[in-house]
Amino acid sequence: AQTVTQSQPEMSVQEAETVTLSCTYDTSESDYYLFWYKQPPSRQMILVIRQEAYKQQNATENRFSVNFQKAAKSFSLKISDSQLGDAAMYFCAYRRMWGSQGNLIFGKGTKLSVKP
Amino acid sequence: DTGVSQDPRHKITKRGQNVTFRCDPISEHNRLYWYRQTLGQGPEFLTYFQNEAQLEKSRLLSDRFSAERPKGSFSTLEIQRTEQGDSAMYLCASSLEGLGVEQFFGPGTRLTVL
Repeated sequence: AQTVTQSQPEMSVQEAETVTLSCTYDTSESDYYLFWYKQPPSRQMILVIRQEAYKQQNATENRFSVNFQKAAKSFSLKISDSQLGDAAMYFCAYRRMWGSQGNLIFGKGTKLSVKP
Repeated sequence: DTGVSQDPRHKITKRGQNVTFRCDPISEHNRLYWYRQTLGQGPEFLTYFQNEAQLEKSRLLSDRFSAERPKGSFSTLEIQRTEQGDSAMYLCASSLEGLGVEQFFGPGTRLTVL
């Protein structure tokens, strides 16, 4: 069974600084998707960034980028130029690429605080 | 269409009562997922539908839980004989399988069982 581990329950960053959130996962499959979702307080979860396992190039979305290390099964999220609006719970998630099962498997999340 | 909606947003019930939640996915999304999120945890998969067919159910979905998606549109999740352990946020997500893998989440229904 696949598992996702986020070892940092809480992180804090100064506004305009850079922070990296860690995620490791376990799977025996070679093709899959990895995601980072953001869940602001009392608001719905939104997708931040996604990575296909077959792509060697790390995904980037504006201030958000990932460091995908397939062999190490590591998938960290870097947030540059942190803004107050980045404060939220961040969840790392895994999804199989093939087969009918399309559900996401989430880690426990990292609560990010941004200090002004 | 502005996104996935869920109703109600909050539900307080007494132990032993039945509750039903509704999810309206994004129009034309053929997949619909239900997740449960307890405090301090990430969402856990409960079940999903491809159109009107319920294709998979998690072991978390006891026989007190039932879900439907008539006509492949909205979905309902019913919990019978609620227990205090059922207190959680119930999240619904939808996706258009085949054109992308992103799941769009609703705001959730927070259930409190007294």
